[in-house]
Amino acid sequence: ETGVTQTPRHLVMGMTNKKSLKCEQHLGHNAMYWYKQSAKKPLELMFVYSLEERVENNSVPSRFSPECPNSSHLFLHLHTLQPEDSALYLCASSPVAGNDEQFFGPGTRLTVL
Amino acid sequence: SQQGEEDPQALSIQEGENATMNCSYKTSINNLQWYRQNSGRGLVHLILIRSNEREKHSGRLRVTLDTSKKSSSLLITASRAADTASYFCATDGEYNFNKFYFGSGTKLNVKP
Repeated sequence: ETGVTQTPRHLVMGMTNKKSLKCEQHLGHNAMYWYKQSAKKPLELMFVYSLEERVENNSVPSRFSPECPNSSHLFLHLHTLQPEDSALYLCASSPVAGNDEQFFGPGTRLTVL
Repeated sequence: SQQGEEDPQALSIQEGENATMNCSYKTSINNLQWYRQNSGRGLVHLILIRSNEREKHSGRLRVTLDTSKKSSSLLITASRAADTASYFCATDGEYNFNKFYFGSGTKLNVKP
């Protein structure tokens, strides 16, 4: 266990649904990240939060909406998704934002029908 | 793009053999990291090497970094079936510390 948990582990949703992914870290880290991993593509950084403030938004469509209510929790709110958004969504944390070791959660496997 | 690119894309070896994976990147970096991912799971950090270091060891892992060639290699010695996983290199941005750039990974299969 890396100290980073994600729920749910699997999610199937229709294009008109609204759902949320949750990430929680128990490591006392100040930075949290969302990544998208699609088949045969490099891991894509989506968002970076440092001390609950968003410091990076990597040109992610607005149908993905992150929320960081405190330094231990990170959410990814999903609405009006497309089938091409089906992927493994990974959350990670690190002591500080930047070039440091990141601790990853197990991911949420999302399927959009 | 800053992305690291791993080579080969897939590697199949027998248990006990050594496995070497390479990573190339495009711009200057502050550090380079290697991660392992078991199928459908999160990534696990293996080793970090800074731009002023040339070689680093951790157990059966040996990482080298050649900043003049913008490349790194990961050597796993005496491989085990449990080493079967995908391996990724990740580079930071010289001027943007918030970003990590991952490659597409090398899929390693170690046959018992």
